[in-house]
Amino acid sequence: EVQLVESGGDLLQPGGSLRLSCAASGFTLSGYSMNWVRQAPGKGLEWLSYISGSSSSIYYADSVKGRFTVSRDNAKNSLYLQMNSLRAEDTAVYYCARGGIVAGTFPYWGQGTLVTVSS
Amino acid sequence: QSVLTQPPSVSAAPGQKVTISCSGSSSNIGNNYVSWYQQFPGTAPKLLIYDNNKRPSGIPERFSGSKSGTSATLGITGLQTGDEADYYCGTWDSSLSAGVFGGGTKLTVL
Repeated sequence: EVQLVESGGDLLQPGGSLRLSCAASGFTLSGYSMNWVRQAPGKGLEWLSYISGSSSSIYYADSVKGRFTVSRDNAKNSLYLQMNSLRAEDTAVYYCARGGIVAGTFPYWGQGTLVTVSS
Repeated sequence: QSVLTQPPSVSAAPGQKVTISCSGSSSNIGNNYVSWYQQFPGTAPKLLIYDNNKRPSGIPERFSGSKSGTSATLGITGLQTGDEADYYCGTWDSSLSAGVFGGGTKLTVL
C-alpha cells in the first residue's frame, strides 16, 4: 500500500525557515517523480514543486522560486522541502504527492502538515 | 487567480447529473492530460480521473471525464449526498513548466 506521511509543520515567525519531510512507503521512491502542493486555509490547491526520480529535473512555482528548495533521498525513502524567508501568505497545509506517469497527475497524496507563519 | 478556470459552485438534486467545467489554454489543457480530484473538508485530495477520462481502481462509473480543445469536464451521475465535496481539475502547463490547478468547485447535493 502506498503511504506518504508529511512531518515538520510548525508555527513560526515571518522570515523564518522550516524543513518539511515526506516519508514514503509501499513503493520504490526512486521510480517516481514527487511533488509538493499546498492549500491555504479556505483556499484551493496550489502546486509548488516537482522533482524527478533521479533529481535531474526540478521545477518550482513562481510564488516560491528562490525561497523553497525541494530535494529527495531515495535511499531513505524521503522527500524534503526546505522553506526559507517565510511569509504570512505561506500559511497552509503542505501535501507531498507522488507523480503519475504523466506530469501534472497526482495519484497519491499524504495527509498534509500545517505550516503557520505569524508574528 | 488560478491558471485553470472552474465555476465556484454547482448544485443538483440527489439522483441527478452534474457537470463541472475546467477551462485552460493551449499550453496546459490543450496539450496535456487532465486529472480531477475530490476533496472532503479536512482531508487530502483524492484522484478521481486521470488522463482526461480514465478512472483509478475503486472509482465508481458514475464519475466520468472528457476533454475538448482547451476545456475539460467532470461528470457525475446518480448524485448522492456523499458526493458533496470540492472538486479540482489539474494538469501540467508546458509554458510555465509547472503543475496547475483550477480554483475548485464546491458541489452541493440539494
